[in-house]
Amino acid sequence: DAGVIQSPRHEVTEMGQEVTLRCKPISGHDYLFWYRQTMMRGLELLIYFNNNVPIDDSGMPEDRFSAKMPNASFSTLKIQPSEPRDSAVYFCASQGNDEKLFFGSGTQLSVL
Amino acid sequence: DQQVKQNSPSLSVQEGRISILNCDYTNSMFDYFLWYKKYPAEGPTFLISISSIKDKNEDGRFTVFLNKSAKHLSLHIVPSQPGDSAVYFCAANYGGSQGNLIFGKGTKLSVKP
Repeated sequence: DAGVIQSPRHEVTEMGQEVTLRCKPISGHDYLFWYRQTMMRGLELLIYFNNNVPIDDSGMPEDRFSAKMPNASFSTLKIQPSEPRDSAVYFCASQGNDEKLFFGSGTQLSVL
Repeated sequence: DQQVKQNSPSLSVQEGRISILNCDYTNSMFDYFLWYKKYPAEGPTFLISISSIKDKNEDGRFTVFLNKSAKHLSLHIVPSQPGDSAVYFCAANYGGSQGNLIFGKGTKLSVKP
């Protein structure tokens, strides 16, 4: 298996623009997570899905953030409109039948 | 309020010596603990875990110790190697729940040749 695949690896955009981050989880994993990593807050959970259904989105910072999982092999995290304080590394992770999370390589987002 | 705390942002160790990374938690409901390792420009990768029914788990050069009464766990790396230089995250969850792992902020380990 290729592991969790995220795209793009890097995204540079201007304030106010829409940003879409993409994730393909490991096949067979029922759980999918979106995390954000910053120096100040470390790794913080934004939202997670179980069998494509959002279970907990309490970590989503504002209504500007939304996430979808239309099928078992694809998820998106959208920021609209983006702001400079959204600059961070965004990780997608998936999980199977135990507690281990498998992370993608992340998307480095810079909002100018 | 942080439920999982890694109070040392960085640690520097000489090659061949022991590295000890510490983690404290506040939620007594946590019953499963994991360590993840992260290299620059990569996602975190699972390293080792421990259940609350144990106080020690060993995997090669890596050993995790759990002190439930102190709500403290530590990761020992012996002997340390330059390739171990990375950021190490402590994480915890509870109730056998698959889902919300709570992460610490990480400790950056530098192993000098």
